[in-house]
Amino acid sequence: AQSVTQPDIHITVSEGASLELRCNYSYGATPYLFWYVQSPGQGLQLLLKYFSGDTLVQGIKGFEAEFKRSQSSFNLRKPSVHWSDAAEYFCAVGPYSGGGADGLTFGKGTHLIIQP
Amino acid sequence: ETGVTQSPTHLIKTRGQQVTLRCSSQSGHNTVSWYQQALGQGPQFIFQYYREEENGRGNFPPRFSGLQFPNYSSELNVNALELDDSALYLCASSSRGGARAGELFFGEGSRLTVL
Repeated sequence: AQSVTQPDIHITVSEGASLELRCNYSYGATPYLFWYVQSPGQGLQLLLKYFSGDTLVQGIKGFEAEFKRSQSSFNLRKPSVHWSDAAEYFCAVGPYSGGGADGLTFGKGTHLIIQP
Repeated sequence: ETGVTQSPTHLIKTRGQQVTLRCSSQSGHNTVSWYQQALGQGPQFIFQYYREEENGRGNFPPRFSGLQFPNYSSELNVNALELDDSALYLCASSSRGGARAGELFFGEGSRLTVL
């Protein structure tokens, strides 16, 4: 069965500092990987995705993520965070169609707090 | 480009009742997925519809059912509501083709409270 682990439930970062959110996955085939962000009371917005090719992918809002097959990881990074980045971040893995038996499997999320 | 819209945004039901949640897909999308997000958890896959047929189902009982209509809008029906069904229900639309194939675009959700 596919699974996603986000080891950090909460992370606090000072505004302007760099950020790395960890994600480890388990998937039986070629993984399609995603990072989503959710602001309070809102739906999820796609930050970036990895399907194939270059293992360093760029997303919106200055985020990037690196796929490391040997470590089964897809960590999210940002060089300098802004107060508006405070939100819940979810890593997800699934099939290309997003369907099948499991759809996308999401991690439990990492709550990002930005200190002034 | 119209995004994914869901209704109602909030609702309260009592245990044993039935509920219908509605979702309008983003224009150009032919696939709809439903997710349940309990408080403090990540979304969990309920099922997906493609061309009005169920295309995959997560670990949810049969009292969770759905429909997709010819215009690609969708409904999620939950019968015999239980307290644990209290959650945010998220609809996501996607396309099977094009540059953004496979990306899920989420609505803002329907918050269901079961008393």
